[in-house]
Amino acid sequence: KAGVTQTPRYLIKTRGQQVTLSCSPISGHRSVSWYQQTPGQGLQFLFEYFSETQRNKGNFPGRFSGRQFSNSRSEMNVSTLELGDSALYLCASSLTTGDHYEQYFGPGTRLTVT
Amino acid sequence: AQSVTQLGSHVSVSEGALVLLRCNYSSSVPPYLFWYVQYPNQGLQLLLKYTSAATLVKGINGFEAEFKKSETSFHLTKPSAHMSDAAEYFCAVSVRRELTFGGGTRVLVKP
Repeated sequence: KAGVTQTPRYLIKTRGQQVTLSCSPISGHRSVSWYQQTPGQGLQFLFEYFSETQRNKGNFPGRFSGRQFSNSRSEMNVSTLELGDSALYLCASSLTTGDHYEQYFGPGTRLTVT
Repeated sequence: AQSVTQLGSHVSVSEGALVLLRCNYSSSVPPYLFWYVQYPNQGLQLLLKYTSAATLVKGINGFEAEFKKSETSFHLTKPSAHMSDAAEYFCAVSVRRELTFGGGTRVLVKP
């Protein structure tokens, strides 16, 4: 079974632009979560989607948003990019929503904001 | 609020020696605990998870972790380190479907 895929793998954007990242979960998985990884802040939860609904949201500004489609694929969008948004963005999928379900991570999208 | 603390941001071990990575958590509810490994330029790979079925959990690649409620700990061990174990390891707790991670421990394996 194919793993979680994320596209693109690398992105370079300029301050003030917006960006959309894509995530395809493992086949059959219905929950998708997003995380930001930076050297300074470590791994931080952005949001979780299940059945096309945002179920939980981390402590990030409204510039960070996401959505999930009926096939469970998910996108996240960051508007008005700031230098501090440079990070590795990781998507994770799980069979369904619930704390005891393990999350499987994709390889990430490395975003550089200049 | 839940939190995870990993003692030691860097650990150096000799090949064949014991690997011990420490993790302490705080959670207001019974925890679901996980260990992940991250190799350079890759995502996170699940090593093992605590499901409350057993306090000693065996994972992939010879790793295991022991849940100790009285110490709020979930330390990760491997009896004999291999060069391929060089990576960064993260302990995490899941509450309200949100993984909270520790700061990570980078393992260096010396030949």
